[in-house]
Amino acid sequence: DVKVTQSSRYLVKRTGEKVFLECVQDMDHENMFWYRQDPGLGLRLIYFSYDVKMKEKGDIPEGYSVSREKKERFSLILESASTNQTSMYLCASDRGDYGYTFGSGTRLTVV
Amino acid sequence: SQQGEEDPQALSIQEGENATMNCSYKTSINNLQWYRQNSGRGLVHLILIRSNEREKHSGRLRVTLDTSKKSSSLLITASRAADTASYFCATDERNFNKFYFGSGTKLNVKP
Repeated sequence: DVKVTQSSRYLVKRTGEKVFLECVQDMDHENMFWYRQDPGLGLRLIYFSYDVKMKEKGDIPEGYSVSREKKERFSLILESASTNQTSMYLCASDRGDYGYTFGSGTRLTVV
Repeated sequence: SQQGEEDPQALSIQEGENATMNCSYKTSINNLQWYRQNSGRGLVHLILIRSNEREKHSGRLRVTLDTSKKSSSLLITASRAADTASYFCATDERNFNKFYFGSGTKLNVKP
């Protein structure tokens, strides 16, 4: 089974801090995604990557950047955390016909 | 909004009953997927249905797709308390390389 691992389940950060959320997949998938999930808003795509060093903005990229230096790792960076970035962050890896495999999520609180 | 939208937002049924959730979308798609999310966790892929398919089954799950009405339904037969979760549809309508998720249907199955 494909496994997608997010480094932290819960994080608390201060406003203005630079925050790194890490995601690792254990297969050779090219496409990886970062979503945030908020009540009533569903999942919204922040960024996705279709290969090493290749990335594309999703619907809500403002305040975020990403890094994909190795195929298995896709990092989401909050350049200067703000309270409106408090959310559940979900990483996913694309298995083609078998859909996405999601990590367990990181619940980030910015205080 | 251009992503799939689920209906109803919440559904409460007794164990043993069938649960039906609907998803509508706005433009043409290649594929539509259904996912399940237990509280506070990542999403789990259930079924992918292609635009040229009308129905698909997996165990107690039955998914239909009507491209003329731009809608899909997920039927869970003989529901169990363990089916309690949120269910999301995802469509690739805007970009065939990635999927967009709706806000989900929250299903509660009472024992």
